[in-house]
Amino acid sequence: QKEVEQDPGPLSVPEGAIVSLNCTYSNSAFQYFMWYRQYSRKGPELLMYTYSSGNKEDGRFTAQVDKSSKYISLFIRDSQPSDSATYLCAMGEGTSYGKLTFGQGTILTVHP
Amino acid sequence: DAGVIQSPRHEVTEMGQEVTLRCKPISGHDYLFWYRQTMMRGLELLIYFNNNVPIDDSGMPEDRFSAKMPNASFSTLKIQPSEPRDSAVYFCASLEAGGGETQYFGPGTRLLVL
Repeated sequence: QKEVEQDPGPLSVPEGAIVSLNCTYSNSAFQYFMWYRQYSRKGPELLMYTYSSGNKEDGRFTAQVDKSSKYISLFIRDSQPSDSATYLCAMGEGTSYGKLTFGQGTILTVHP
Repeated sequence: DAGVIQSPRHEVTEMGQEVTLRCKPISGHDYLFWYRQTMMRGLELLIYFNNNVPIDDSGMPEDRFSAKMPNASFSTLKIQPSEPRDSAVYFCASLEAGGGETQYFGPGTRLLVL
């Protein structure tokens, strides 16, 4: 079993839809959680970053962490065609500074 | 800053040949990471350095892979001999200690081994 599980999709939604992306994990030592966005033929770039359980909002994006269930989510409101990308969840332990374990990534397409 | 720089951007080689991938991290960043990305396995950490010293190489698939960081502004990932299953996109990323855990990725090197 992988430490981080993420459904690779692909996921296709119409413009304006609410998108929900999810990851589960098995390592209780993970303390911080990130979402990276990767456009085609580009490197991943950080989208959201959170330490604690609960919600964190940034514009149309909301990251949710439930440590008790080992489950994290990314919600995208009013999705736009420019949101079409691969979304990767990533997690880190406090003891290994900087080291991240990534999910496989979910391919998202938002069509006009 | 120009960001993380990787070269070459594309590499096509034949099985058995030596491949060298290069990375220049963002100036002032203390950590450097090498990743491999495939459709089947996603983004996998191969090795990372702190202040030019390898910290964790547990992700290096086998002895055919080696990585060096001779100074703070340059790192190489070498595959010798290369095999078709090494075909992937290889990313380099850097991070500044004390600047949060945000890794900044380069554009990647697309490697095809025939």
